[in-house]
Amino acid sequence: AQKITQTQPGMFVQEKEAVTLDCTYDTSDPSYGLFWYKQPSSGEMIFLIYQGSYDQQNATEGRYSLNFQKARKSANLVISASQLGDSAMYFCAMRDNAGKSTFGDGTTLTVKP
Amino acid sequence: GAGVSQTPSNKVTEKGKYVELRCDPISGHTALYWYRQSLGQGPEFLIYFQGTGAADDSGLPNDRFFAVRPEGSVSTLKIQRTERGDSAVYLCASSFRDRTDTQYFGPGTRLTVL
Repeated sequence: AQKITQTQPGMFVQEKEAVTLDCTYDTSDPSYGLFWYKQPSSGEMIFLIYQGSYDQQNATEGRYSLNFQKARKSANLVISASQLGDSAMYFCAMRDNAGKSTFGDGTTLTVKP
Repeated sequence: GAGVSQTPSNKVTEKGKYVELRCDPISGHTALYWYRQSLGQGPEFLIYFQGTGAADDSGLPNDRFFAVRPEGSVSTLKIQRTERGDSAVYLCASSFRDRTDTQYFGPGTRLTVL
């Protein structure tokens, strides 16, 4: 069974600083995908970034980058230059070889002014 | 363009009643998913539609839960004989073709069973 672990229930970061949200995963599939979603208090899950297991380079999308360390089975999200609007819940998810997605329990990020 | 929409946004019902939750996916998206999110947890997979058919319903917790997508667009999640433990946010997502594509989520329906 696939498992996603997010060990930080809550994180604080000062505005304009960078923050790393941790995610480790467990799978025996050789092919899988890793995602990060943001869930503001409004409830909608917003797709941020995707990393394929065979991708050679770490994914980047604007201020978001994914620090993919395959041997360690980690897929940490790095947010650079944090903004107040980044305050939200962040979920790491993995899609297995069969296409089924499993989500972690999330990290609440609070950006302080 | 319009994203995934879900109605109602909130639903309060009494134990034992029947409820229907509706999802309207992004236009042109073939794949549709239902998830359930309990407080403090990540979304939990319920069912996946490819077109009109349920390609994977392994996440439905029991036979009180059923979902349909008769015309390959709008989907309805149906819960019979609701229980207090069914209280959660029900999220719908869609993707362009299938499970290899990125899923885009709707705002969810918050179901409260009294």
